[in-house]
Parts: sequence; C-alpha cells; structure tokens
Amino acid sequence: NAGVMQNPRHLVRRRGQEARLRCSPMKGHSHVYWYRQLPEEGLKFMVYLQKENIIDESGMPKERFSAEFPKEGPSILRIQQVVRGDSAAYFCASSPPRDSSIAGVEQYFGPGTRLTVT
Amino acid sequence: AQSVAQPEDQVNVAEGNPLTVKCTYSVSGNPYLFWYVQYPNRGLQFLLKYITGDNLVKGSYGFEAEFNKSQTSFHLKKPSALVSDSALYFCAVRVSSGGYNKLIFGAGTRLAVHP
Repeated sequence: NAGVMQNPRHLVRRRGQEARLRCSPMKGHSHVYWYRQLPEEGLKFMVYLQKENIIDESGMPKERFSAEFPKEGPSILRIQQVVRGDSAAYFCASSPPRDSSIAGVEQYFGPGTRLTVT
Repeated sequence: AQSVAQPEDQVNVAEGNPLTVKCTYSVSGNPYLFWYVQYPNRGLQFLLKYITGDNLVKGSYGFEAEFNKSQTSFHLKKPSALVSDSALYFCAVRVSSGGYNKLIFGAGTRLAVHP
C-alpha cells in the first residue's frame, strides 16, 4: 500500500507566479490535511478536506491560498501570486474515514513539497 | 486555548545514554497525544500515540512516552540513544471541533546524539 504521495518534491517559483502542490492520500483514505512548516518552525495546520468538501480552512491565509479535493484525483493546494514569505515546506497528511476503527487517530504524512520563492 | 509546548529547542545526548524530549499540553477533555519524528528533507513519521490505558506507551525504534495527567506532560524517552536517532521530534495533540479532528503540533525539538 503506497503511502501519501506529494509532488513535486521541490518547487521553485518567482514572485508573482502560481504554485500548485498535489497530494494523493493513502488508498482508502478520504480525509486530507495540509500543513505548512516554515524554516526552523513546527507544523501549522492550514486546511482539512474531505472529498469535494472543505471542512476546516481556519489555518489558511484568506488571500491567494485555496485548496480542493475533487471526487477524482489528488488534493491540490494552490498559491497564487507567490511571495518570498510563502517559501516553506508544505505537508499533506491523510487519515481513514470516520467509520473506520482508527478514524482520526493517526494521520499519515507525505514527504512534503519544498517551495522556494525567488 | 488548546496548545502543545516543547520547551527545548535542542537536546544533546551522548550515544548510549538515555534521552528525554519534553512535551506539555493544554486541552479540554481527555487528550489524544502523538509523537512524530522528521528526518532531514523527509516527511513526518509516526512514532507512538496515547489514547487511553497504560500511561507508558511503547512505540517504534525503541522509543516510549509517559503520559502524566497531573503534570499534563507526555515526554518522549529512550533508554539508550543512537546516533541515528538524531532528528527533529514533534509532539502533537488531537483536538476535536465540529465533529472532526485535527492535530496541533509543538514547535519541535532537535535531538542531536553524539558518538
């Protein structure tokens, strides 16, 4: 069973460009979380999604950032008009459905996408 | 406010010595607590969790953690450190809101094990 997959692993964008980060959850997982890790800091929750629904986006900046988790395909975190302060590692995690015996107990993390804005 | 604190930015230990990485939490209700490890340029790997039951929880790679409700702590321990244990360690607590769960992480503690 493949783990959580994220691509690209490294992404370089110039200021003002758009960044698209993809996350494919573990097979059978229907919950996806995005976290941001700034240099030398811990992980900060950004958004929690289920298929086709945003459940909690309280950690997401109000402007330029958006996330989706369509019925088919990976979850996408989109950052428009990137700025230097967006440079960070972005991690995706997934967890099983709520009716699973271990629902919500553990989150499984992907390897992250390291975004560098030049 | 619900939070997790890791009071030490870095812990230095000699190989073969016991290690402790500290974590304290503040949540309402019974806590679900986790430890994750992050190796350089990698994602987070799950080490262990406390849900209920025995206060001493055993996890991967010989690590264990002790839940102390009165001190609201969940310190990570290992009896004999290895150089390969050098990494960034995160404590996390699960919080529930609106019928779903999310994790709140501490700032992380960098463990350096010296030969």
